[in-house]
Order: sequence, then structure tokens, then C-alpha cells
Amino acid sequence: QKEVEQNSGPLSVPEGAIASLNCTYSDRVSQSFFWYRQYSGKSPELIMSIYSNGDKEDGRFTAQLNKASQYVSLLIRDSQPSDSATYLCAVNAASGSARQLTFGSGTQLTVLP
Amino acid sequence: EAGVVQSPRYKIIEKKQPVAFWCNPISGHNTLYWYRQNLGQGPELLIRYENEEAVDDSQLPKDRFSAERLKGVDSTLKIQPAELGDSAVYLCASSLGRGYYEQYFGPGTRLTVT
Repeated sequence: QKEVEQNSGPLSVPEGAIASLNCTYSDRVSQSFFWYRQYSGKSPELIMSIYSNGDKEDGRFTAQLNKASQYVSLLIRDSQPSDSATYLCAVNAASGSARQLTFGSGTQLTVLP
Repeated sequence: EAGVVQSPRYKIIEKKQPVAFWCNPISGHNTLYWYRQNLGQGPELLIRYENEEAVDDSQLPKDRFSAERLKGVDSTLKIQPAELGDSAVYLCASSLGRGYYEQYFGPGTRLTVT
């Protein structure tokens, strides 16, 4: 089982709709969770961080965390074509004796005009 | 505020040749990371520095990879000799403090080994 799992997609939504991106993780003691956006040929860009159960909103983005279910999600409201990118979920997870930021493989989102 | 700077942006080398990547983190960021990202995958950590100390290098292939961070600022990642399987994007990231606070990535170096 991969430590951080995401649906690879592609996920297509029409412009103006809500895009919902999901991520599950296996390390129960993880405390830090991040969403990165990566445009094709570019490096990952941090867009959201969340540390506590519940919702965290930043503009059109809402991150949701449920530690009991080991689940973190990202909602993008009023999706725009410029939101088309790969979204990476990252979790502070154990790796051997250390803890490190472990990334999922990403979900490719396409927003259709 | 300037972001993480990396060079070169692209590098094409033949197998068995050496290659080096350079990174300058965001000013004031004490923690520096080197990641490797293969196509269609998320970044994978190679090494983490706290100031000039390598505190997590468990995933660095030490037979051919080496890294240094002299004076706790700039860092260099080297591969010698390169293999075909080393073709990937090498990303440098930095963060303010210990542990895994928000990490900010540089533009990366795309390495192609032929």
C-alpha cells in the first residue's frame, strides 16, 4: 500500500464548477498536510497547508482534513481553465526511522471552458 | 522576496559522465531539501539539510550521489557516474525551520542521460 494515494485522473470539470480532489494516507500519526499545484513542465507550488481537523479556506480553495478517516481533500470553487494542472497531496509521514514529506502521484485536473 | 534558485535548468549528458546541480534557497530558510521527480510521480526526497548538517539522507544512493551544503546556504548535488535511470527532474526546496513546515520549490533541473 502506498503511503499517500490519489486518484491519478484525469479529472475534468466545466468552468465554474467545483473540483474535488481526494487523498488518503496510511500513517496515523501524520500531523502536517499540504496541497501543491504543478503545471506541466513546472515545479510544484504550495497552495494550501492544513494541520487540524476540519476545513481551511483560502480564496477559491478549501482544504478538508479528517484524521480519523486518514483523508484530506481539496475543493476548488468556481474552477477556471487556469486551474488545469496536476495537484499533489503531501503528508508528513514516517519513512523508516525518520519523518519526511511524502507525496502522492498527483491528480491531473482539466477545467473545460 | 526571491524564491529558490537552481541551475542549470536543463542538462543532457552521456551515461557514465558526472553532473552537478546547484541550489540557493530562500533567504533565511535553514532547511534545504533535494528531491527527484520522475514523470507522472510525486517528488521523492533524496536528502535534507538542517543548516550544513545532512539529517536525512536515507534515500540518497550513496554509491553515485553526493551532496554538500557548505556554510549552510547554497547546496550542490552531484551524480558520478550518471546512469540512464537517473534521467528525471531534480528539485531543490527550502523551508524556514526544523521538521516539515511549508516547503517551497525551485524551478528544478531536468536531467537527460543518453
